[in-house]
Amino acid sequence: AQRVTQPEKLLSVFKGAPVELKCNYSYSGSPELFWYVQYSRQRLQLLLRHISRESIKGFTADLNKGETSFHLKKPFAQEEDSAMYYCALKAGGFKTIFGAGTRLFVKA
Amino acid sequence: DGGITQSPKYLFRKEGQNVTLSCEQNLNHDAMYWYRQDPGQGLRLIYYSQIVNDFQKGDIAEGYSVSREKKESFPLTVTSAQKNPTAFYLCASTGLQNSGANVLTFGAGSRLTVL
Repeated sequence: AQRVTQPEKLLSVFKGAPVELKCNYSYSGSPELFWYVQYSRQRLQLLLRHISRESIKGFTADLNKGETSFHLKKPFAQEEDSAMYYCALKAGGFKTIFGAGTRLFVKA
Repeated sequence: DGGITQSPKYLFRKEGQNVTLSCEQNLNHDAMYWYRQDPGQGLRLIYYSQIVNDFQKGDIAEGYSVSREKKESFPLTVTSAQKNPTAFYLCASTGLQNSGANVLTFGAGSRLTVL
């Protein structure tokens, strides 16, 4: 079955600390993975996708097929990073499956 | 201003009533989607449509219906058969070409409350 698991509902870190939001997926084929973010009072939007292999707002995510993971990392968290983060899997066809989301809270 | 427009933003309904949520896009995207967002459950796919006059059930289609008569529009009807309709509903779309393919663009959402 296709599934995306985000084990942490809430992650709280201090400003300047490293942050890692975990994401594991279950899919037998070749996946396409994304991180979407929802800032307060804003629309859900794409943060980054694994095929782009880019850093957005200091965040990176590496696809690890052996561990079926796509963890989101940032070396130094900022207060403006506080938001809801969703890991998503596009597993063929037109369906995108989302994890339950992790709320990141960056404390001053 | 290109994007996806959902209306109404807030909607209250009595039990037993059907309601229709509007979703319009001016992005010339072919595929459109309806998701339901509940706390702690993430986004769950209700229905999606790849082209006009065609749509498929998602993971939680029971109690919902859709139509796709125009490329720009993908309205969702929440029927009285939906057992737990109070939720936040998100409409999204994707293009089929180039770098935008597979990337979802979302509307601002509609919050439905059943009284």
